[in-house]
Amino acid sequence: DIQMTQSPSSLSASVGDRVTITCRASQGISNFLAWYQQKPGKVPKLLIYAASTLQSGVPSRFSGSGSGTDFTLTISSLQPEDVATYYCQKYNSAPRTFGQGTKVEIK
Amino acid sequence: EVHLVESGGGLVKPGGSLRLSCAASEFTFSSYSMNWVRQAPGKGLEWVSSISRSGDYIYYADSVKGRFTISRDNAENSLYLQMNSLRADDTAVYYCARDGGSYSLDYWGQGSLVTVSS
Repeated sequence: DIQMTQSPSSLSASVGDRVTITCRASQGISNFLAWYQQKPGKVPKLLIYAASTLQSGVPSRFSGSGSGTDFTLTISSLQPEDVATYYCQKYNSAPRTFGQGTKVEIK
Repeated sequence: EVHLVESGGGLVKPGGSLRLSCAASEFTFSSYSMNWVRQAPGKGLEWVSSISRSGDYIYYADSVKGRFTISRDNAENSLYLQMNSLRADDTAVYYCARDGGSYSLDYWGQGSLVTVSS
């Protein structure tokens, strides 16, 4: 099975900072990758699908890139409401594995 | 607005069984594949199972294969997860989630807590 590895596992940044989270697949998955945001105590929310397509209603400060095995989620200017754990997920085939998550906090 | 509501969670002893339901509304349920995803307390997300629109194609995580059964009733707009031989490490909030057009999970229910403990 393909493994999904996120880095870092947590980060602390200041409001307005550019934040980058990476997700690496153990084998190529083309662009069949999604990013989700889960705020504390809340349900996960789809941010990006097909590696770089922003889900409707998601702020434009979020962006995704990558293909094959290496992917990134970027928050161009971190806001207080972005405090959350972010997960990548592959969906090209079963099992649809999630990464272990990256917890983002405000410094 | 798409609405997914899980029910059926609760406390069950190891080795016991439980059936989760997910009631769907405000979209054409039969046109979408559906999923179960779980999250153990304080842990990350774990994909559990997927079922195609007509139920012809079903997939499971290795951790639940042979113990859990996913099914759906398109006439009732409902998704199910039959969980047998439950273990302590099955304790989690179980979410039902819809496959969007791209097969990413575009809508999620609020979750149903399953606790496996003696």
